[in-house]
Amino acid sequence: AQSVTQPDIHITVSEGASLELRCNYSYGATPYLFWYVQSPGQGLQLLLKYFSGDTLVQGIKGFEAEFKRSQSSFNLRKPSVHWSDAAEYFCAVGVLRDDKIIFGKGTRLHILP
Amino acid sequence: GAGVSQSPRYKVAKRGQDVALRCDPISGHVSLFWYQQALGQGPEFLTYFQNEAQLDKSGLPSDRFFAERPEGSVSTLKIQRTQQEDSAVYLCASSSQGTGNTGELFFGEGSRLTVL
Repeated sequence: AQSVTQPDIHITVSEGASLELRCNYSYGATPYLFWYVQSPGQGLQLLLKYFSGDTLVQGIKGFEAEFKRSQSSFNLRKPSVHWSDAAEYFCAVGVLRDDKIIFGKGTRLHILP
Repeated sequence: GAGVSQSPRYKVAKRGQDVALRCDPISGHVSLFWYQQALGQGPEFLTYFQNEAQLDKSGLPSDRFFAERPEGSVSTLKIQRTQQEDSAVYLCASSSQGTGNTGELFFGEGSRLTVL
């Protein structure tokens, strides 16, 4: 069965610094990969997704992620974080012919002023 | 409405009570998902509908959990004889098509259930 691991429960970065959130997945075939963000009191919002093609995908709010098949990873990056990026970030994996997606446990991002 | 709407936003139930949680998906979305999110955890899949058909209910934790979508639009998640371990946020999401077909999930804000 597919699974998602987000190794970092909490990450703290200074405003303006670069960010990388790690995500590893487990699945035998090419997965569909997603990053969602959840701000306090709000629903999950899709940041970006990878289905096929270019392994570097661009998303909203200046985020990008790179699919690396050899490492089973789909890390999320942003060159310069803003205080408004403080939230919980979830990596998720979906599989062909299966209409559900599986979420990781999340990484909470804290921003220092 | 423009987004996925869930009600109630907050529900407090005494152990043993039955609860019903409602989800209004985005108009025209054929797929509807229920997830359970415990405190400090990621969303856990419960069940999935395509129109009125419940195609996957493998994530429902027990037979006390029941979901329906009789007309292919609004869905209700019912929990019978609630237990303290049922306390969580219940998230509903809809999609214009199955996620396997590049559909994006649009989530509601969730219904927070607290069982005393």
